[in-house]
Amino acid sequence: GAVVSQHPSWVICKSGTSVKIECRSLDFQATTMFWYRQFPKQSLMLMATSNEGSKATYEQGVEKDKFLINHASLTLSTLTVTSAHPEDSSFYICSAYSRVLGNQPQHFGDGTRLSIL
Amino acid sequence: TQLLEQSPQFLSIQEGENLTVYCNSSSVFSSLQWYRQEPGEGPVLLVTVVTGGEVKKLKRLTFQFGDARKDSSLHITAAQPGDTGLYLCAAAGGGGNKLTFGTGTQLKVEL
Repeated sequence: GAVVSQHPSWVICKSGTSVKIECRSLDFQATTMFWYRQFPKQSLMLMATSNEGSKATYEQGVEKDKFLINHASLTLSTLTVTSAHPEDSSFYICSAYSRVLGNQPQHFGDGTRLSIL
Repeated sequence: TQLLEQSPQFLSIQEGENLTVYCNSSSVFSSLQWYRQEPGEGPVLLVTVVTGGEVKKLKRLTFQFGDARKDSSLHITAAQPGDTGLYLCAAAGGGGNKLTFGTGTQLKVEL
């Protein structure tokens, strides 16, 4: 149980395009979803916290107009990287939290590798 | 801002050796998690420690939470190539069920 699915797992696109990444909790309703960014061989850096039906809370230094987050339902959050450039290339990971599940604070997706040419 | 410093940052050892990874902070945590992450995948939870001084074992992995709940260690006995990966400690805090991740330890176990 407590499966989080991300789609796509890998995307390559041209500079200047916008890319949408989906994060779904498949078998539970997520009170909160989180979006992380990870560079090679480095740790996860929290970008934003997303609560269903409200605006996302962004961490310091993360451009909210660049990284648009929508949390339309208790099972789906999306991250859109707008006007992507090569420096946006990274591994993006989402996680989901449900107070009902208790023990584990967050359940992680398998990540999306974004490559901007 | 809570900081979780892990050491060492990189570790390359031979199969059968033992190793310890440390996770240190100046903050006190109510709980701390250890994750392992393989390339191209999300982190997978290994253990959660809650009580100061607590020791948990998962096969060849031993996790300890410091008495003051500011630090933790992960000890692997007789490492195997399958243990290769990025090991991350993480602690809840900062409000809203946020997790702060440690700086990470990249482990490579060679035959």
